[in-house]
Formats: sequence, C-alpha cells, structure tokens
Amino acid sequence: EEQLVQSGDETRKPGESLRISCEAFEYSFTSYWIGWVRQTPGEGLEWIGMIYPHDSNTIYNPTFQGQASISADKSISTAYLHWGSLRASDSGIYYCVRPYYYDSGTYYFNLWGQGSLVTVSS
Amino acid sequence: DVQMTQSPSSLSASVGDTVTISCRASRSVSTSVNWYFQREGRAPQVLIYAASTLQSGAPSTFIGSGSGTSFTLTISSLQPDDFGTYFCQQTHEVPSTFGQGTRLEI
Repeated sequence: EEQLVQSGDETRKPGESLRISCEAFEYSFTSYWIGWVRQTPGEGLEWIGMIYPHDSNTIYNPTFQGQASISADKSISTAYLHWGSLRASDSGIYYCVRPYYYDSGTYYFNLWGQGSLVTVSS
Repeated sequence: DVQMTQSPSSLSASVGDTVTISCRASRSVSTSVNWYFQREGRAPQVLIYAASTLQSGAPSTFIGSGSGTSFTLTISSLQPDDFGTYFCQQTHEVPSTFGQGTRLEI
C-alpha cells in the first residue's frame, strides 16, 4: 500500500533549528513530486512547496520561501522540511503530500502523511 | 495569491439531508478545483478533483460543479461518516491555495 509516514511531533524554542521527515513507501519516489502543507487554526491549510526528487527541482510558496526549505534523499525515499531558525508563527501541523497530475500543471493531493505537530514556544 | 472563499463556514444538518457548500475564487481558476474532507485528528482526503470528477472510492453522493470563479460541492443523503470539515483548493496558479473550510455538524 502506498503511504507517506512522517516523523513524530516536535517542540522547540524560538531560534532553534528543526528538520521533519516524510518517508515514502510502495511507490517510485523519484517519479512523483512530493510536498508539504501546513494547517493552523488561524490560517487553515497552506501550501508550502514541493520537490521533484528525481532532479531536486523545487517550487515554493513565496510566503514560506526563506523561512523553510524542502529537500529529498532519493536513496532512502525521504523528503524533509527544514527550518534554520524557528519562530512561534511556525507552529502548526505539517502534512507531507503527494500530488497526482491529471492534466498539464493541474493536480490534487491523493496521498497524505499522518501529520507532524510542530510547537515553537519559549 | 488566489483567494478561495468558502461559505458557509459552518453548517448543521441531519442524516439523510442534502447540503451544498460554495467556494468562490478571487479570479478565474478554470476547473482546477479540488474538494477534500477532513475528520478531526486525521489528514484530509480528496473527494472531487477537476471541479467535478469523483475520486475513485469516494461515494457517488458527492457531486462537484462549477468553473471559473464559482464552485459548489453538493452532498446528498448525508451519512454519519460525512460529518467533518470540507475544504476547496485551487491548483490553477502557484501558490496553490485552500478555502478556510466548512465544518459540517450534526
């Protein structure tokens, strides 16, 4: 069964770094884009960005670019979301997602990880 | 960014009812709209993509329609498992954006 399995919940202080992971199972990791979505009570669901593991081509939501970065390790079928210096506003549930392209440029997320809760608090 | 505005933000209904949720885009997104359902504590799951195409495995009681800036999700013959939160999403432009959600309660 195809699935995305995320790392556990994390708590950090402002200014600390963090990397969360998403491991893909039962599909060809390098054949699909993989991305991240954040969910917060205030902003709802927000698309952060996506990476194509085959060549590491990456696209970001300008809102998140510069604050968080996406990477992937093809050898272990794992995508990452990394922060160098966390802010309280980075708190939320982070989902990794796999888009399915049904037409040129248009897609939907047909596979979701279980979510990782990130809490940033002093 | 394209703003996706859902209405209503919450809705009360009973088992067996038919309900309609609306999603309006701030500019045309063609038919690049998806609908997701989320239960409390779980990840969202896709119900409808391309505005009106039912995802494999989703019940036929879910019907999506619309194009351009106006989209609707109609749920007929509500079942207990249908109660939760519904989101629309546009993937016509980068960044993709979501509606704020419609909470469907018993």
